[in-house]
Amino acid sequence: GAGVSQSPSNKVTEKGKDVELRCDPISGHTALYWYRQSLGQGLEFLIYFQGNSAPDKSGLPSDRFSAERTGGSVSTLTIQRTQQEDSAVYLCASSAENTDTQYFGPGTRLTVL
Amino acid sequence: AQSVTQPDIHITVSEGASLELRCNYSYGATPYLFWYVQSPGQGLQLLLKYFSGDTLVQGIKGFEAEFKRSQSSFNLRKPSVHWSDAAEYFCAASNAGNNRKLIWGLGTSLAVNP
Repeated sequence: GAGVSQSPSNKVTEKGKDVELRCDPISGHTALYWYRQSLGQGLEFLIYFQGNSAPDKSGLPSDRFSAERTGGSVSTLTIQRTQQEDSAVYLCASSAENTDTQYFGPGTRLTVL
Repeated sequence: AQSVTQPDIHITVSEGASLELRCNYSYGATPYLFWYVQSPGQGLQLLLKYFSGDTLVQGIKGFEAEFKRSQSSFNLRKPSVHWSDAAEYFCAASNAGNNRKLIWGLGTSLAVNP
């Protein structure tokens, strides 16, 4: 079956612009996670969704970052007024309820010039 | 604070040699533990996981890992490395419960010499 998909695969933007990154989880997966992978910082948790609610936003690095999930499915991560330090690969993962395995998408590589 | 440490940033082994990648964790309680592999241009793939029970767990691609509570370690091993094993390996941990957010080590880059 289809895995986790993310779009776009690559995004180049100018400093100060807003960007939206999309994640389509595996159908029926109730949990959705966003992570960021950057040089020197490794993989960092950003936000966790259970259904459409986000009980854990503790990893969002600043108020320029926000995310939403609609219909218990697609999620969008929005970065406002992008900065060069936002350059990274943004990864999305989903898992079925009461299971422990997270399935990862291929990621979106964001480059802020 | 919860943390996962992978002491080795980079390891080079010869094809056919054995491999051990180290992972240590610091958590309030014993976490769930995972090893993921990331090949160039590929996504993260789960190799194996430990929740409880038998401390030696088997995974895909011939990998295994041993959980040692006394050492807060979860080291990954493979008896004979293949050239295709060259990749980045990540150890991760999570709590039980609904929120299984992963806390990651910085990764170990594995190179395999022919």
